[in-house]
Amino acid sequence: QVQLVESGGGVVQPGRSLRLSCAASGFAFSTYGMHWVRQAPGKGLEWVAVIYYDGTNEYSADSVKGRFTISRDNSKNTLYLQMNSLRAEDTAVYYCARRGLAFCGGGSCPNLDYWGQGTLVTVSS
Amino acid sequence: DIQMTQSPSSLSPSVGDRVTITCRASQSISISLNWYQQKPGEAPKLLIYTASSLQSGVPSRFSGSGSGTDFTLTISSLQPEDFATYYCEQSYSTPVTFGGGTKVEI
Repeated sequence: QVQLVESGGGVVQPGRSLRLSCAASGFAFSTYGMHWVRQAPGKGLEWVAVIYYDGTNEYSADSVKGRFTISRDNSKNTLYLQMNSLRAEDTAVYYCARRGLAFCGGGSCPNLDYWGQGTLVTVSS
Repeated sequence: DIQMTQSPSSLSPSVGDRVTITCRASQSISISLNWYQQKPGEAPKLLIYTASSLQSGVPSRFSGSGSGTDFTLTISSLQPEDFATYYCEQSYSTPVTFGGGTKVEI
């Protein structure tokens, strides 16, 4: 079965860095795009970044652009999020999610079909 | 960016009630609309994709409809395990955007 397991969260001071990992199993990781989505305490879901199956295309939210980098190692079935210059407002549970694709009309419509359990990042002095 | 507006933000139905949640996109997204359920302390779970297709394993009391800018998630007969927060999401264009959520509470 599909499993996504995040790690690397913790407490970090403002301005410091942290790298999150997401270990994937139960599916052909190298054929799927992957997302990071975060959720601040008591708030809704906020998309962070996406990377396509082969790593050639990646996009990130304006709120993290220039500070966070999404990457992947298909040989290790692992997704990463390098977070630099962390701010208090980056405090959240970070989820990795698989980019599913469904047929719709003449093309395909993406979704986030499997999610990990999340890892908590707290930015505080 | 495409803005997603959900309503209501919360509701307090009874078990057995029919529940309807709406989601409006700031521009047409065809049927590229997905619904997720999130229970406290858990990760979100995909319920409905491409506006009306039921994800495998999801009970048939859940249904979705709509296209363009207006979408609806319906629970035909609310069960105790359905008390949760529901989010719509558009993947029509990057960045992916979520609605603000609808909390279905006792």
